[in-house]
Amino acid sequence: EPEVTQTPSHQVTQMGQEVILRCVPISNHLYFYWYRQILGQKVEFLVSFYNNEISEKSEIFDDQFSVERPDGSNFTLKIRSTKLEDSAMYFCASLPDRGGRTQYFGPGTRLLVL
Amino acid sequence: GNSVTQMEGPVTLSEEAFLTINCTYTATGYPSLFWYVQYPGEGLQLLLKATKADDKGSNKGFEATYRKETTSFHLEKGSVQVSDSAVYFCALSGETNAGKSTFGDGTTLTVKP
Repeated sequence: EPEVTQTPSHQVTQMGQEVILRCVPISNHLYFYWYRQILGQKVEFLVSFYNNEISEKSEIFDDQFSVERPDGSNFTLKIRSTKLEDSAMYFCASLPDRGGRTQYFGPGTRLLVL
Repeated sequence: GNSVTQMEGPVTLSEEAFLTINCTYTATGYPSLFWYVQYPGEGLQLLLKATKADDKGSNKGFEATYRKETTSFHLEKGSVQVSDSAVYFCALSGETNAGKSTFGDGTTLTVKP
């Protein structure tokens, strides 16, 4: 069965550094999402992406965040200057079309900012 | 906006006990409803789903019925096992909002032998 994959599985970075989290959605899916989960808390929506542009973003998704689909297969989340509070698990998800509504989640990237 | 309210945890049960985790939602229109399970240190796994009123989702002995009249989607299992110990998240995906999911706070279940 096709899966969403994410790399790396774990990343440790210093505060102020840039990080790029990578996701490979399922190949025929059209909608892409990033969520985050701070340790012990609920999963929060960050951003949705369709047709090469952001379709919705949450208030968490400020100017330090950006997303890109550089080559038709990868979907990346960039954090320009990481803060301690960016430490979280980041999940990518994809959806074949809006009618389906069942998102397929990747395994997550655990980001630790020191 | 959409929201999901889950029964507060943690929940501790003995093996073979009956499990209920309550979930209610607020959404416009007709959302799809989901339960996800997260084992320690792992990602989200879709446990079950229901896409319209009165649908029952089921998987691995877990069930939940989409009740539009009470805006609820309670998770039940007749006989829990130690291996069911995990965090359970109720979630919805609305008709609008580009398909994004809204999650509840999660309920931690611990099953003791």
